[in-house]
Amino acid sequence: LAKTTQPISMDSYEGQEVNITCSHNNIATNDYITWYQQFPSQGPRFIIQGYKTKVTNEVASLFIPADRKSSTLSLPRVSLSDTAVYYCLVGGADKLIFGTGTRLQVFP
Amino acid sequence: NAGVTQTPKFQVLKTGQSMTLQCAQDMNHEYMSWYRQDPGMGLRLIHYSVGAGITDQGEVPNGYNVSRSTTEDFPLRLLSAAPSQTSVYFCASSYSDREGLDGYTFGSGTRLTVV
Repeated sequence: LAKTTQPISMDSYEGQEVNITCSHNNIATNDYITWYQQFPSQGPRFIIQGYKTKVTNEVASLFIPADRKSSTLSLPRVSLSDTAVYYCLVGGADKLIFGTGTRLQVFP
Repeated sequence: NAGVTQTPKFQVLKTGQSMTLQCAQDMNHEYMSWYRQDPGMGLRLIHYSVGAGITDQGEVPNGYNVSRSTTEDFPLRLLSAAPSQTSVYFCASSYSDREGLDGYTFGSGTRLTVV
């Protein structure tokens, strides 16, 4: 399974766009890139998933360059409620291996 | 409501006791997994299953057993509880088909303390 590297923490202010980049140099041809969000004392929640180029849904965008060795989760206009840990995962659908994640703190 | 149901929510065990953490989903998901999360850490995969009758080990399987006799249920058994197994346990499930692209659904967790 491809290992992922993310920043340990990030700070932002309400209303700003936040971009969290994940490195996955050893991604395999069949691997998908998936991002999860976790609030304290809760299970992770699926945010977005992609294979290549750009994916957008109602909460986030995922940018994947042609070589797929990295990906960027973009959260538009964050609010205080976006304060959470964000995990980047790479692999197949049968099992998810979590890394350490990025702790995002949003300030007023 | 549809989703992943874990029971119990809290449990205290004495060292050496055994118990089963229950996990049930009503979404007809093929894939199910168990994770543990220690304070301030990420989730670690214990065991997973790709369908009824099929299970496999994850990153930290020692001290735990699983079985998958039905699509809906995926219980996790602690054979002889140890203080090192104090953690929050999460169960998750997903479709095997990537068409839905909606990822895994996680339960609300079981907080286990072994004394």
